Amino acid sequence: EPEVTQTPSHQVTQMGQEVILRCVPISNHLYFYWYRQILGQKVEFLVSFYNNEISEKSEIFDDQFSVERPDGSNFTLKIRSTKLEDSAMYFCASSGGTGYTSYNEQFFGPGTRLTVL
Amino acid sequence: SQQGEEDPQALSIQEGENATMNCSYKTSINNLQWYRQNSGRGLVHLILIRSNEREKHSGRLRVTLDTSKKSSSLLITASRAADTASYFCATDARNTGFQKLVFGTGTRLLVSP
Repeated sequence: EPEVTQTPSHQVTQMGQEVILRCVPISNHLYFYWYRQILGQKVEFLVSFYNNEISEKSEIFDDQFSVERPDGSNFTLKIRSTKLEDSAMYFCASSGGTGYTSYNEQFFGPGTRLTVL
Repeated sequence: SQQGEEDPQALSIQEGENATMNCSYKTSINNLQWYRQNSGRGLVHLILIRSNEREKHSGRLRVTLDTSKKSSSLLITASRAADTASYFCATDARNTGFQKLVFGTGTRLLVSP
């Protein structure tokens, strides 16, 4: 069964450094998302992306964050200058396929655990 | 906000018993989805129920939705130790292709052998 994949599984970085988190959504999906989950807290929406542009972003998604779909398969989240409070699990998700997937079901990747020191 | 809140926060049962988790939300929704998360791992999609549906089944899972009470329940029948995980409801108010899921606080389920 197709699935969303994410790399790396764990990223450790120094405060102020740039990080890029990578995702490969399910191939026939049209909508892509990033969420994050700070340890012990709820999963929070960051951004949605469709047709090569941001559809919606949360207040968390400030100028330090950007997303890109550089080719037909990858979807990336960049944090330009990481802060301690960016430490969290970051989940990529996709939805909006055809065939076996229902239009609205959103499928998540395994996550990247980001640790900012 | 459109927050989902699950209860109980934690549930401990024996294998073979049924587990029921509830979710409440505040605003009108288009659909509600349930996810499972094993400790420190990713979110596994379990089931989606649309606002015009009242009940849905998938294997040992049964989900109900009561839009008048703004609540949903997830029933896992004949639980197994492998069902031990956190369970989250997530709601979406949009009737468009792209979504903005709002997650609840989750129920931690422990199934003992």
